Amino acid sequence: QKEVEQNSGPLSVPEGAIASLNCTYSDRVSQSFFWYRQYSGKSPELIMSIYSNGDKEDGRFTAQLNKASQYVSLLIRDSQPSDSATYLCAVNRRDNNDMRFGAGTRLTVKP
Amino acid sequence: EAQVTQNPRYLITVTGKKLTVTCSQNMNHEYMSWYRQDPGLGLRQIYYSMNVEVTDKGDVPEGYKVSRKEKRNFPLILESPSPNQTSLYFCASTPRGSGPGEQFFGPGTRLTVL
Repeated sequence: QKEVEQNSGPLSVPEGAIASLNCTYSDRVSQSFFWYRQYSGKSPELIMSIYSNGDKEDGRFTAQLNKASQYVSLLIRDSQPSDSATYLCAVNRRDNNDMRFGAGTRLTVKP
Repeated sequence: EAQVTQNPRYLITVTGKKLTVTCSQNMNHEYMSWYRQDPGLGLRQIYYSMNVEVTDKGDVPEGYKVSRKEKRNFPLILESPSPNQTSLYFCASTPRGSGPGEQFFGPGTRLTVL
C-alpha cells in the first residue's frame, strides 16, 4: 500500500463546475497536509496547507481534512481552464521531517 | 528575486561518471530537500536538511549523497550514476517557522544516464 494515494485521473470537469480531488494516507501519525499544483513541464507550487480537521478556504480553493478517516481533499470552485494541471497531495508525519507525496491527479477543465 | 536555482537544467551522462547537481536559494531558508519525479510514482524525497551540517535520508536515498556546508547551498551528488537514476530532479526549500511541507521548488533538472 502506498503511503499517499490519489486517483491518477484524468479528471475532466466543465468550466464553472466544482472539481473534487481526493487523497488518502496510511500513516496515522501524519500531522500536516498540503496540496501542490504542477503545470506540465513546470515545478510544483504550493496552493493549500491544512493542519487540523475540518475545512480551510482560500479563494476558490477549499481543503478538507478528516484525520479519523485518513482523508484529505481539495475542492476547486468555479473551475477555470487555467486550473488544468496535476494536483499533488503531500503529507508530513508528526515524528519526522520527511515528506511523502502522492502520484498526483491530472485535472482538465474544459471551456 | 526570491528563488531556488538548480544547475544544470539538463544533463546527459554515462553510467559511472560522477556528477553534481547544484541547488541554491537566496531566501535564507533553513529546510532544503531533494526529490526525484518519475511517471506514475510522483515525487519521492531523496534527502533533506534541517540546517547547516544536518542532513537526513528521505524515501529513496540509495545512490545519492548530499552536503550542507552553507545555508544557501544543498548539492546533490551521484558518485556512480546508473540508468535507473534517469529522472527529473527538484530541489526545494522552506522558510524557518513553516512546516517542512510549505516548500518553494526549483525549476528542475532533467538527468539522463546512458
